[in-house]
Amino acid sequence: SQQGEEDPQALSIQEGENATMNCSYKTSINNLQWYRQNSGRGLVHLILIRSNEREKHSGRLRVTLDTSKKSSSLLITASRAADTASYFCAFPRGDDYKLSFGAGTTVTVRA
Amino acid sequence: DAGVIQSPRHEVTEMGQEVTLRCKPISGHNSLFWYRQTMMRGLELLIYFNNNVPIDDSGMPEDRFSAKMPNASFSTLKIQPSEPRDSAVYFCASRGIETGFQFFGPGTRLTVL
Repeated sequence: SQQGEEDPQALSIQEGENATMNCSYKTSINNLQWYRQNSGRGLVHLILIRSNEREKHSGRLRVTLDTSKKSSSLLITASRAADTASYFCAFPRGDDYKLSFGAGTTVTVRA
Repeated sequence: DAGVIQSPRHEVTEMGQEVTLRCKPISGHNSLFWYRQTMMRGLELLIYFNNNVPIDDSGMPEDRFSAKMPNASFSTLKIQPSEPRDSAVYFCASRGIETGFQFFGPGTRLTVL
């Protein structure tokens, strides 16, 4: 079962705009991960942020983590049509190997 | 590296038939995971292996499902007998010791009629 919640469920933006999505979780974690899934494909990892980190960047992606609020956000800047995909947060559950995935945010970037 | 390889990519079968899904993890990875994805339930972990040993199969829905990992480069997920409610996309993922994230295969889309 999913133990993370993401919002919004869906997001539609114009190319060039920024997209922000959020993830909340309930347990203590040592890291949180973001993945992207293009239609009909497997998930691809984007960023892993550890519990002692507050912010992390990778290209046009920026992830924040607030352990006091048990929440994380993923920001995609200057979006492109190729960013159209579903984005999932995931975090270890029980042991360091099992991941619990959120329901995902579907992002549509309009040209 | 070819990434995680899954076969078949698509499988259509009739209720009651046996289905076998196959996975080849990334070479050198010591953990392997089987997931199921549906619109209703999202992405669910079915079972995972460490060093070819099943560690947690609590996500396996029922006895009709079984998984094996006879060696470090191959795993199977079997459904016998299959039912229409088993229709889903099944993903295999692997992970190395050094990394915290998982590498997913392209998935097998299973349709049980």
